Amino acid sequence: KQEVTQIPAALSVPEGENLVLNCSFTDSAIYNLQWFRQDPGKGLTSLLLIQSSQREQTSGRLNASLDKSSGRSTLYIAASQPGDSATYLCAVRQKTSYDKVIFGPGTSLSVIP
Amino acid sequence: GAGVSQSPSNKVTEKGKDVELRCDPISGHTALYWYRQSLGQGLEFLIYFQGNSAPDKSGLPSDRFSAERTGGSVSTLTIQRTQQEDSAVYLCASSLETTPRGGGTQYFGPGTRLTVL
Repeated sequence: KQEVTQIPAALSVPEGENLVLNCSFTDSAIYNLQWFRQDPGKGLTSLLLIQSSQREQTSGRLNASLDKSSGRSTLYIAASQPGDSATYLCAVRQKTSYDKVIFGPGTSLSVIP
Repeated sequence: GAGVSQSPSNKVTEKGKDVELRCDPISGHTALYWYRQSLGQGLEFLIYFQGNSAPDKSGLPSDRFSAERTGGSVSTLTIQRTQQEDSAVYLCASSLETTPRGGGTQYFGPGTRLTVL
């Protein structure tokens, strides 16, 4: 059974710091891995999608890597800003007989001005 | 439309009543997903549609839950005889499936907050 975990559960950093969020999954049979952010009381916003054949994706100050064989992904945020404060979720699209999407529990990020 | 829309945004119902939640995906998106997020919990996958077909319904929490999609567009999630533990935010997402299967970015709607009294 696929399990997705995220470390740390919560993180507080001063503005301007670079930071790394971690996502681990137990079953490497995935189509892709997607990173989202969720702001309080709101829906999810897609940040980056990495296909299983890819190693990383970049968008602005965000860089996500994928090591499928070890079951790990990292989301790197450069020069953090208070507006980055949110909960960050990773999700894997699982290759089973039928498709399932399994989310991690999230990392709550707070960037202090 | 510009994005995924869901209705209603909030629903308060009494225990035992049936509710119907609606999702309008982004036009042209062939895949549609339903999730549930309970207070303090992570996102729970419920069901996935490719076109009008949902091959795997095992993610639905109980037989009180059902979902359908018509015309490859709008989807409804129906909860019969609601219970208090059904209270949650129900989120819908859609994606443009590509080849190979499973490659699409998911775009989420704002969710429906269901409260069962």
